[in-house]
Amino acid sequence: GQNIDQPTEMTATEGAIVQINCTYQTSGFNGLFWYQQHAGEAPTFLSYNVLDGLEEKGRFSSFLSRSKGYSYLLLKELQMKDSASYLCAVMDSNYQLIWGAGTKLIIKP
Amino acid sequence: DVKVTQSSRYLVKRTGEKVFLECVQDMDHENMFWYRQDPGLGLRLIYFSYDVKMKEKGDIPEGYSVSREKKERFSLILESASTNQTSMYLCASRLAGEGTDTQYFGPGTRLTVL
Repeated sequence: GQNIDQPTEMTATEGAIVQINCTYQTSGFNGLFWYQQHAGEAPTFLSYNVLDGLEEKGRFSSFLSRSKGYSYLLLKELQMKDSASYLCAVMDSNYQLIWGAGTKLIIKP
Repeated sequence: DVKVTQSSRYLVKRTGEKVFLECVQDMDHENMFWYRQDPGLGLRLIYFSYDVKMKEKGDIPEGYSVSREKKERFSLILESASTNQTSMYLCASRLAGEGTDTQYFGPGTRLTVL
């Protein structure tokens, strides 16, 4: 079966760095997405990785290792507005997105 | 900017009622999707459509149907609502067919079935 695993909840301090991990087992791989979802709102796109390595975009970076079935989202200089759920999703061989349950990130002052 | 709109943010219906959830996108996207999102679970795909008049079952189509008569509009229908269909429903659209383009989401409809 297809499976995406990520931690249910994480807590971090304002100004710090946090890494949210995602492991996956899917039938085929056409890329991995990270989305941010604030409470009561729609998910919004953060990043897309299809090749191994680190993609940096401002305070957010995303890493992929296809051989390990592993990705992480790295958030630097955390701000209170980063409190949200972070969803990992993998595009399978049929170009359908398989979604993780999301990681709720709580930022404390 | 892509805009995906959904007809209602909050909806309360009674068991057995027929429910229509409407989704409209304004960027001429071919692909549209309906998901439901429940606490502790990932987004689960109900139905999707690659183009007008086309529809494909997702992972959990039971109890739902869809309609795509126009490219910009994708409707989700609950023929006879049940309490286990209480959920957040998210519509999304995407430009490419087989590509890896981003899905753009609507604001969601929180449906409660009493």
